[in-house]
Amino acid sequence: KAGVTQTPRYLIKTRGQQVTLSCSPISGHRSVSWYQQTPGQGLQFLFEYFSETQRNKGNFPGRFSGRQFSNSRSEMNVSTLELGDSALYLCASSLGHGYPTGELFFGEGSRLTVL
Amino acid sequence: QKEVEQDPGPLSVPEGAIVSLNCTYSNSAFQYFMWYRQYSRKGPELLMYTYSSGNKEDGRFTAQVDKSSKYISLFIRDSQPSDSATYLCATPGTGNQFYFGTGTSLTVIP
Repeated sequence: KAGVTQTPRYLIKTRGQQVTLSCSPISGHRSVSWYQQTPGQGLQFLFEYFSETQRNKGNFPGRFSGRQFSNSRSEMNVSTLELGDSALYLCASSLGHGYPTGELFFGEGSRLTVL
Repeated sequence: QKEVEQDPGPLSVPEGAIVSLNCTYSNSAFQYFMWYRQYSRKGPELLMYTYSSGNKEDGRFTAQVDKSSKYISLFIRDSQPSDSATYLCATPGTGNQFYFGTGTSLTVIP
């Protein structure tokens, strides 16, 4: 069974640019969550999508957005990049129902560096 | 106050040592607690989870929850170099949002 696939793995951008990250969840998983990981803050929740609908959103500015497609693949976008957006962006998929909503399966992440 | 606080480490121990990793949480309503392990340049993977108070053992790993003090622990017995990783405690909040500690970096020296 294929795991969670994130692309690209590494990318370098400059301030003011925008970036789009992609995530393909495990087959059959309808929930995709996105987390930002930095050394000082750890993993911080960005948002979660379930069946193409955003179910939950963390405390991030509106520059961070996402969407989910009918095949459960998800993308997140960061516009007007700032230096502080440099981080590892992790995607996690899960079945998404019940409490707790099952194990989170993480991808290897997309490491974004903003210069 | 963050929902989950974790000792930052880093920890460096000799092979065979017993390792204790610790977290505290703020909300007494939290009932499920997870430990994730993250190897360098990889995503976190679930190591084990516990419900409410008590201990749960899985091989060399024991997870412990003390709800009276809001304290979560992970013990690793007979630590191995392959245990070198970052360990993250976590608990689910509303919806599918999980609260993670900042992680403790562990190095087991052969």
